[in-house]
Amino acid sequence: DQQVKQNSPSLSVQEGRISILNCDYTNSMFDYFLWYKKYPAEGPTFLISISSIKDKNEDGRFTVFLNKSAKHLSLHIVPSQPGDSAVYFCAASEKEEDNAGNMLTFGGGTRLMVKP
Amino acid sequence: GAVVSQHPSRVICKSGTSVKIECRSLDFQATTMFWYRQFPKQSLMLMATSNEGSKATYEQGVEKDKFLINHASLTLSTLTVTSAHPEDSSFYICSASPRGGARTDTQYFGPGTRLTVL
Repeated sequence: DQQVKQNSPSLSVQEGRISILNCDYTNSMFDYFLWYKKYPAEGPTFLISISSIKDKNEDGRFTVFLNKSAKHLSLHIVPSQPGDSAVYFCAASEKEEDNAGNMLTFGGGTRLMVKP
Repeated sequence: GAVVSQHPSRVICKSGTSVKIECRSLDFQATTMFWYRQFPKQSLMLMATSNEGSKATYEQGVEKDKFLINHASLTLSTLTVTSAHPEDSSFYICSASPRGGARTDTQYFGPGTRLTVL
């Protein structure tokens, strides 16, 4: 059974508005969460992360919110730009490590389309 | 549904040996499977794309003779790291795209395999 789920396969947003991408998880041992952005024919690139000791992390136009009690996290992009159009994956890990090699569990992805 | 498994989850080997990693789609058929390597800062590098019954397509800079990929069936792809060296130590992740899926960009990721070469 999937431990990390992105229930919306796609999202369409007007340029300049806010994009909200959602992710739910079931494993209460997860304590580190990441968002990846993926363009066609490329590997996912790391976007932003959040540790379970926080409920919000902001980096420019991107903000990730974590609600541990609901086992839910979301990625907010504001203002949305056409270049943000991509597939976004959320991922979770049981332990944050500085070196390469987290055991990551990915959601199925959400395709974001930002219309000019 | 849409579960992808990898085996083994962790492997430690001596330098010069070969290691095989399996990627299986457990409850769906995968037309295409992808192999990634994780680098520091959690970025994933796409190594190759494999389609069932055909040769894998390798990304630029990835040695196809070193990283052998076999997509033998619609539910199984294998990555063999030949003559592994310490610099090959990394976290290898596979993903699979469902056959006949409504969205061609849907990918389901495996849990990853941590390779340590001594």
